[in-house]
Amino acid sequence: EIVLTQSPGTLSLSPGERATLSCWASQSVSSSYFTWYQHKPGQAPRLLIYGASTRATGIPDRFSGSGSGTDFTLTISRLEPEDFAVYYCQQYGSTPYTFGQGTKLEIK
Amino acid sequence: EVQLVESGGGLVQPGGSLRLSCAASGFTLSSHWMHWFRQAPGKGLVWVAYLNPEGGYTDYADSVKGRFTISGDNAKNTLYLQMNSLRDEDTAVYYCARGCRMSSCADYWGQGTLVTVSS
Repeated sequence: EIVLTQSPGTLSLSPGERATLSCWASQSVSSSYFTWYQHKPGQAPRLLIYGASTRATGIPDRFSGSGSGTDFTLTISRLEPEDFAVYYCQQYGSTPYTFGQGTKLEIK
Repeated sequence: EVQLVESGGGLVQPGGSLRLSCAASGFTLSSHWMHWFRQAPGKGLVWVAYLNPEGGYTDYADSVKGRFTISGDNAKNTLYLQMNSLRDEDTAVYYCARGCRMSSCADYWGQGTLVTVSS
């Protein structure tokens, strides 16, 4: 099983600041099989990034993904109030399709 | 417009069974991989199962293998998750999601249905 570890667990920032979220895999994952999701309480999770760096339909360009192998990053260039949520990385390289434990992005 | 609406959740005793449904609209179920995920209270997202419509292949998380069955009814455009021998640790919000067409991801998710396993 591929274990994904996200850092930090909680990130406290202000609107307008830049957010950098990290995700490390216990073994190499093809970039094609790496995704990021945003999840707000009581709502459906939202696909942000697939293929490690491709924004999903309708996702603003302030969201960007990068990385390869075992080291992946989600960057939000300038935080908007609606961006404060929990972010998960997930791999589809092999079953079980594991998630990281999540990074909670909170307003400072 | 793509929509996924889950139903069938509720309170069930340990050892009991429940069948979740996920009604799909705005696309054809048979043209996409479909997934079930869950989120236990205060915990993160966990993948549960997938259904590959090409050949009907399925796979499951080890924690549910042999107890849960994912299936689809193309005539009703509905995805199911039959859950048997339920345990306390199966308590969670269950989400169905549509697999991306050209990539490995889940692009549309339902709002979820809560399953509570308790005596």
